[in-house]
Amino acid sequence: QKEVEQNSGPLSVPEGAIASLNCTYSDRGSQSFFWYRQYSGKSPELIMFIYSNGDKEDGRFTAQLNKASQYVSLLIRDSQPSDSATYLCAVISNTGNQFYFGTGTSLTVIP
Amino acid sequence: DAGVTQSPTHLIKTRGQQVTLRCSPISGHKSVSWYQQVLGQGPQFIFQYYEKEERGRGNFPDRFSARQFPNYSSELNVNALLLGDSALYLCASSLVTNGHQYFGPGTRLTVT
Repeated sequence: QKEVEQNSGPLSVPEGAIASLNCTYSDRGSQSFFWYRQYSGKSPELIMFIYSNGDKEDGRFTAQLNKASQYVSLLIRDSQPSDSATYLCAVISNTGNQFYFGTGTSLTVIP
Repeated sequence: DAGVTQSPTHLIKTRGQQVTLRCSPISGHKSVSWYQQVLGQGPQFIFQYYEKEERGRGNFPDRFSARQFPNYSSELNVNALLLGDSALYLCASSLVTNGHQYFGPGTRLTVT
């Protein structure tokens, strides 16, 4: 079982729609969760981080964490073509010294 | 403030050779981590250093080594290069070991 699992996609949504990206993790003791965006040929860029159960909103982005289900999600509202990228879920291990990334979900926003 | 910087940008090496990659963290960040990213995959954790000490190691062979200097910059060394080492090598810095990380632009290594 991989430490972090994501659907690789591709996920396509029309412009203005909500894009929903999902991630599950295996280390029940994990405390810190991150979403990164990676454009083709570029390095990952931090979008959101969440530490507590529930929702965290930042502009058009909402991260949701459910530790009981070991599930993290990212919602992108009013999706724009510039949101087209690969979205990486990352988790820090319980010991705090191991970082695990999922394989990423490719998102395409269709104008 | 300058972000994380890495050098070189691109590198071509031959199988069996050795390579050294360099990283300078964001000013004030004391933790540096190294990742390997092959095409179509997420970054794979190689090492984390904090205050010049190794704090975490991923599942990579002993051919991979790293160190952190007093100014918090870091080097990643890979010996006896294999074709499978061809990848984008990413450096990330953070204030603390379990803080959110900021990535540099990466070094694209090609082994022929």
